[in-house]
Amino acid sequence: DIQMTQSPSTLSASVGDRVTITCRASQSISSWLAWYQQKPGKAPKLLIYTASSLESGVPSRFSGSGSGTEFTLTISSLQPDDFATYYCQQYHSYSSFGQGTKLEIK
Amino acid sequence: QVQLVQSGAEVKKPGASVKVSCKASGYTFTTYAISWVRQAPGQGLEWMAWISAYNGDTKYAQKFQGRVTMTTDTSTSTAYMELGSLRSDDTAVYYCARPGGYSGGAFDLWGQGTLVTVSS
Repeated sequence: DIQMTQSPSTLSASVGDRVTITCRASQSISSWLAWYQQKPGKAPKLLIYTASSLESGVPSRFSGSGSGTEFTLTISSLQPDDFATYYCQQYHSYSSFGQGTKLEIK
Repeated sequence: QVQLVQSGAEVKKPGASVKVSCKASGYTFTTYAISWVRQAPGQGLEWMAWISAYNGDTKYAQKFQGRVTMTTDTSTSTAYMELGSLRSDDTAVYYCARPGGYSGGAFDLWGQGTLVTVSS
């Protein structure tokens, strides 16, 4: 099984900050990586697919990069609506998720 | 409207089985697969299994192999996930999700979730 490791687990930031979340895969997954945003009581929402493609309707302040085993999600200027939990997911071999990064207001 | 609508919350006793449904609408059901993901209270997302709505092919996470059964009913555009031998640590919200074609398999559409509570 491919293990996905996210860091940090918790991130405190302010509105307007630039933040980066990292996701590492235990083996190469090429670019088969997605990022999701989840708010309490809601289903996850797809933000980024194939590592760097922005899902339709997602603000351009979200961006993704990486390939192989190391990936990042960047939010260029945090907005109040962005405080949530973020998950990476590999879909190269079956599927698996990172443990999540909770983005909190500082 | 393109959506996945899941069945309602369930309460089950340990050792029992639960069957959750996921009804698709607004798209051609057999063009896509359905995956199942669960989330225990306060925990992260855990991928469980995948079924092709086209031909019924399945893939299971090793952890759930032998305990999960997935089926589809193409006449009603509904996918089902049955989890047996329930334990207290199976208490979770269970989601169905659609791997998108354009996204290469990322889950572009999710159901609203079904809370399954396992308690004696």
